[in-house]
Amino acid sequence: DQQVKQNSPSLSVQEGRISILNCDYTNSMFDYFLWYKKYPAEGPTFLISISSIKDKNEDGRFTVFLNKSAKHLSLHIVPSQPGDSAVYFCAASEETSGSRLTFGEGTQLTVNP
Amino acid sequence: DADVTQTPRNRITKTGKRIMLECSQTKGHDRMYWYRQDPGLGLQLIYYSFDVKDINKGEISDGYSVSRQAQAKFSLSLESAIPNQTALYFCATSDPSREGRETQYFGPGTRLLVL
Repeated sequence: DQQVKQNSPSLSVQEGRISILNCDYTNSMFDYFLWYKKYPAEGPTFLISISSIKDKNEDGRFTVFLNKSAKHLSLHIVPSQPGDSAVYFCAASEETSGSRLTFGEGTQLTVNP
Repeated sequence: DADVTQTPRNRITKTGKRIMLECSQTKGHDRMYWYRQDPGLGLQLIYYSFDVKDINKGEISDGYSVSRQAQAKFSLSLESAIPNQTALYFCATSDPSREGRETQYFGPGTRLLVL
């Protein structure tokens, strides 16, 4: 079963606007969440994370929101730039699994100039 | 220089052949991982190792084996390759005590095609 789901395979936004990428999870034991960005022919790179004790974490143009009751998190990018065009993966872990991550399917973000 | 390197970057092989994918890291991390990525499925964990003497199966270990030769090296073997092992393979490292919990750093990937 897919414990972490990204239901939108792709998203297209205009430069300067907000990009919102969504992620849902089913395992209530997940307590740490991460977003990775992947460019073609490169490995995923860590973008931002959030612990379940928080509901928001911000780093520059990137903000992650966590809604534990809904088992939902989202990544907001404001303002979006063409260089943000990439595949974004949501990942989650639980303390008892050590550092094992469970990944979503990914969302291809395209930012149009 | 890249902190996590993978060789080869691309490989074409035939069904039944044994192949090895190699991963090296200069980050000094104890934990290393092998993932595969298939279109529409995200990254799935194959094997992971928390130190040189530790090997653990992930979600999809069947048909694969690993060797942790040193702290810096972790190799993945396909004993008898089959076409549905065609995928993009990633190595990753982490060291939660230094970098924060569960932040993994990935290599550039190996694209494998099994004919």
